Amino acid sequence: DTAVSQTPKYLVTQMGNDKSIKCEQNLGHDTMYWYKQDSKKFLKIMFSYNNKELIINETVPNRFSPKSPDKAHLNLHINSLELGDSAVYFCASSQGSREETQYFGPGTRLLVL
Amino acid sequence: SQQGEEDPQALSIQEGENATMNCSYKTSINNLQWYRQNSGRGLVHLILIRSNEREKHSGRLRVTLDTSKKSSSLLITASRAADTASYFCATARRGAGSYQLTFGKGTKLSVIP
Repeated sequence: DTAVSQTPKYLVTQMGNDKSIKCEQNLGHDTMYWYKQDSKKFLKIMFSYNNKELIINETVPNRFSPKSPDKAHLNLHINSLELGDSAVYFCASSQGSREETQYFGPGTRLLVL
Repeated sequence: SQQGEEDPQALSIQEGENATMNCSYKTSINNLQWYRQNSGRGLVHLILIRSNEREKHSGRLRVTLDTSKKSSSLLITASRAADTASYFCATARRGAGSYQLTFGKGTKLSVIP
């Protein structure tokens, strides 16, 4: 059973389009994250939700909007995609303040043409 | 801002040799973690060392932490071809409702059979 899953695995789209990436975790965790990994493998936190509440919102263009319908899901919607948005997006989860380690999904490879 | 900096950026060794990777960071931390990323996959947690610990072992892994120098090292003993991956250090700071991880750029390890 996959602990943290993301869909889709690959996403190729045109500049200007709007797209969503979905994430689900079945670990019973209360905190979920979105990270962006660029072409140089640098991994940077974008957002974090704890019990469906936004707690970390790094300097990310407001074209990116996370949504957490429940504790097990954290989706990422991106409006007006730009070339620079091409990257691998990772979802992760953890048990909030009680567990410091994070569990990562397999990643969504986004290519904007 | 980027917290961890790993060196070397790339390391190539023969199977059976030991591999040492270093990480330096800039601010105070609650703990430091090492993660592994196989090509095209998500990150997997390897080991965590708290700020009041100096050394920790887990199987073939040995991690050290020097908070006075703000540095850590990860040693993989008796390396195997399956250890080929990128290794990231991540510093953890306690935030509202969770621990925020800040990742370095990683060390790409190649173990030659």
